[in-house]
Amino acid sequence: DTGVSQNPRHKITKRGQNVTFRCDPISEHNRLYWYRQTLGQGPEFLTYFQNEAQLEKSRLLSDRFSAERPKGSFSTLEIQRTEQGDSAMYLCASSPKGYNEQFFGPGTRLTVL
Amino acid sequence: QKEVEQDPGPLSVPEGAIVSLNCTYSNSAFQYFMWYRQYSRKGPELLMYTYSSGNKEDGRFTAQVDKSSKYISLFIRDSQPSDSATYLCASDNTDKLIFGTGTRLQVFP
Repeated sequence: DTGVSQNPRHKITKRGQNVTFRCDPISEHNRLYWYRQTLGQGPEFLTYFQNEAQLEKSRLLSDRFSAERPKGSFSTLEIQRTEQGDSAMYLCASSPKGYNEQFFGPGTRLTVL
Repeated sequence: QKEVEQDPGPLSVPEGAIVSLNCTYSNSAFQYFMWYRQYSRKGPELLMYTYSSGNKEDGRFTAQVDKSSKYISLFIRDSQPSDSATYLCASDNTDKLIFGTGTRLQVFP
């Protein structure tokens, strides 16, 4: 499968715990995006990388959230001290250089108890 | 006001019907427009991508953009039960996508 992959697919955690998600983009896609989607809503932009540089962060990304893309390949999204309001589907997308189309992975569904 | 507005539905149609899905947007700077299909508990799948105004056809799907009225449409011909999903419109705003809420479509046999 050469699409965007995300792990884990599901994560259940207790409030206050830290969680980390991983995204592997399509090979040679230089841009990588993170979005969050809650029930009944469209995805909302969180942050994006061009290669290893994090170029933009949404105001939705509080200081409990951090994202990295070391070496411009896979990316991780960490949420510290999780809150029940963090429960959502976290989506990763990638885009090839020179194109605007974004291709999404299957998402990681987070449930905070 | 949201930058991209979309009627959440649900929209229920019989198999074989022509489906019309619509969005409006407020930012005249938007130039790229996309339609995604999302099945329950899955990631969005890119269906159509258009630049500026005009039509684009791909099989049973036609995307239309009217920049003068800031209106985006997706038409599905000969709808099938397998088309039952949520359809998301999105506009590109300086490298990030702004999505509508999605319209839930159900095609019944």
